[in-house]
Amino acid sequence: GPKVLQIPSHQIIDMGQMVTLNCDPVSNHLYFYWYKQILGQQMEFLVNFYNGKVMEKSKLFKDQFSVERPDGSYFTLKIQPTALEDSAVYFCASSPRQNSGNTLYFGEGSRLIVV
Amino acid sequence: GDSVTQKQGQVTLSEDDFLFINCTYSTTTYPTLFWYVQYPGQGPQLLLKVTTANNKGISRGFEATYDKGTTSFHLQKASVQESDSAVYFCALGSNTGYQNFYFGKGTSLTVIP
Repeated sequence: GPKVLQIPSHQIIDMGQMVTLNCDPVSNHLYFYWYKQILGQQMEFLVNFYNGKVMEKSKLFKDQFSVERPDGSYFTLKIQPTALEDSAVYFCASSPRQNSGNTLYFGEGSRLIVV
Repeated sequence: GDSVTQKQGQVTLSEDDFLFINCTYSTTTYPTLFWYVQYPGQGPQLLLKVTTANNKGISRGFEATYDKGTTSFHLQKASVQESDSAVYFCALGSNTGYQNFYFGKGTSLTVIP
């Protein structure tokens, strides 16, 4: 099936440093998402992105967070500066159209550990 | 706002047992309902989805009926196997906003051989 690729799979970073998580969504998809998951539990929505813009974001999407997809390359989540509570697995997802019936396709996740 | 509730955090069964995972939802729209499954170390993947009320989704022996009357979408399987051990998420795809998906908290299934 369709594949969403995430790089890196794991990263350990010092608190206060910047981290960029990269996502290569399914090629013909137009809507992109980031979710945060702690300890294999609930998937928490962070942000969705379409046509070069953030469409909606949750309270978890702090000011230190930003997303972009320059020139159709990777869809990135940047955290600057990082905090201990940012430790989690971050999942990128994409879907083809704006329609409630469309399936979200997830990547394998990027495990971030902030020390 | 839209929401999904999964009451069971963990379920432990033996092989060949019947599986029932509870899911209820709240919405003012006409959503699509999903079950996603997440295996250890992987991202969630679609198990099944139903776009129309009163219809049933079936996949890999799992089934769920979109019950608009009780606002439920419970997941069932007649006979579980050890390989079904995973976390199961119920989700709602909303027509409001920009294609927001709302996930339940997840139910961790452990099947003992």
